[in-house]
Amino acid sequence: AQSVTQPDIHITVSEGASLELRCNYSYGATPYLFWYVQSPGQGLQLLLKYFSGDTLVQGIKGFEAEFKRSQSSFNLRKPSVHWSDAAEYFCAVGAGYGGSQGNLIFGKGTKLSVKP
Amino acid sequence: DGGITQSPKYLFRKEGQNVTLSCEQNLNHDAMYWYRQDPGQGLRLIYYSQIVNDFQKGDIAEGYSVSREKKESFPLTVTSAQKNPTAFYLCASSVRVMWNTEAFFGQGTRLTVV
Repeated sequence: AQSVTQPDIHITVSEGASLELRCNYSYGATPYLFWYVQSPGQGLQLLLKYFSGDTLVQGIKGFEAEFKRSQSSFNLRKPSVHWSDAAEYFCAVGAGYGGSQGNLIFGKGTKLSVKP
Repeated sequence: DGGITQSPKYLFRKEGQNVTLSCEQNLNHDAMYWYRQDPGQGLRLIYYSQIVNDFQKGDIAEGYSVSREKKESFPLTVTSAQKNPTAFYLCASSVRVMWNTEAFFGQGTRLTVV
């Protein structure tokens, strides 16, 4: 069955430091991969997506992610974190078949805190 | 502005009551979804609809019901059969099925049983 694992429940980084959020997926075919961000009490906003082609994808707010098929990973990165990046981040895989056909399978999220 | 509107933002339910959460979109999207979010659990799919007058159960449909009479609207009813309804509920829509396209989310409804 398809699944998404975000190993880190909570990460704290200093403002201006670099950031990497980890995401591993299990999927039997070429995956469609997404990163969403959620501010407290709000809905989710798409940061970036990978469908095919270049394995390094750029998103909004200065984020990027790299798809590594050999490691089944899709880690999110940002060179310099801003205080406004504090939020919860969700990795998701598109389930083109199986029990959740037509829908996204979400990881459990990583909460990012930013120290001044 | 185009988007998804969920109402109310906060909802309180007494034991044994049914409550209905509203979700409206003006993005002209065919597909709409309801997710439940609990702390540390991520998002779990309740129901989804790919077209008017059609909907499918997701992973945790028990105790919930939906309707899709209009393209713009996808209300969710939390019935008394749902034993643990306190959660944050998110509605979403997409041009077509979500797995290969961007989904747009509403701001959520926080439901509390009192």
